Amino acid sequence: GAGVSQSPSNKVTEKGKDVELRCDPISGHTALYWYRQSLGQGLEFLIYFQGNSAPDKSGLPSDRFSAERTGGSVSTLTIQRTQQEDSAVYLCASSVPGRRTYEQYFGPGTRLTVT
Amino acid sequence: GEDVEQSLFLSVREGDSSVINCTYTDSSSTYLYWYKQEPGAGLQLLTYIFSNMDMKQDQRLTVLLNKKDKHLSLRIADTQTGDSAIYFCAESSPGTASKLTFGTGTRLQVTL
Repeated sequence: GAGVSQSPSNKVTEKGKDVELRCDPISGHTALYWYRQSLGQGLEFLIYFQGNSAPDKSGLPSDRFSAERTGGSVSTLTIQRTQQEDSAVYLCASSVPGRRTYEQYFGPGTRLTVT
Repeated sequence: GEDVEQSLFLSVREGDSSVINCTYTDSSSTYLYWYKQEPGAGLQLLTYIFSNMDMKQDQRLTVLLNKKDKHLSLRIADTQTGDSAIYFCAESSPGTASKLTFGTGTRLQVTL
């Protein structure tokens, strides 16, 4: 079946502009995660959605970052007033909670470059 | 907080075994995972081990867990050029199962 998809695959933006990154999880997966992969910081957790529960936003690096998940499916990560340090690959993953292994399936990522 | 560490680079010859090591600090880790990332691609879950196990074998992959030393390893038998990638170990803990803590990644280079 279809895996996790993300769009765009690449995004170049000017410093100060807002960007939106999209994630479409695997059908039936109720949990959705955003991670960031950058040279200096490795792989970092950003935010987690599970069903109708309040999201776990503990990994968001600043208030310029926000995410929403509409209808329990597609998620959008928004970065306002982008800075050069936001340049990274943003990865989305989904899983089926209740499975003890918490296996997360990752999308191909969106490479964001802030110039 | 949790910390997961790996060596940055490993080079092996095709046909040899590769052993990628990982250490973690969170003694409450419940599951430990190995992910593979090929160039330009996302993360692929290779295998995982529950913390009450000390070994898991899956075809060419063997995972060893020393919980006392908080040491995890991934052995790839008969390493092939297609195994060249970055390998990440990750852990999840009770109550934080919503997020994975990743290691820094080990780049495996397979030479002919």
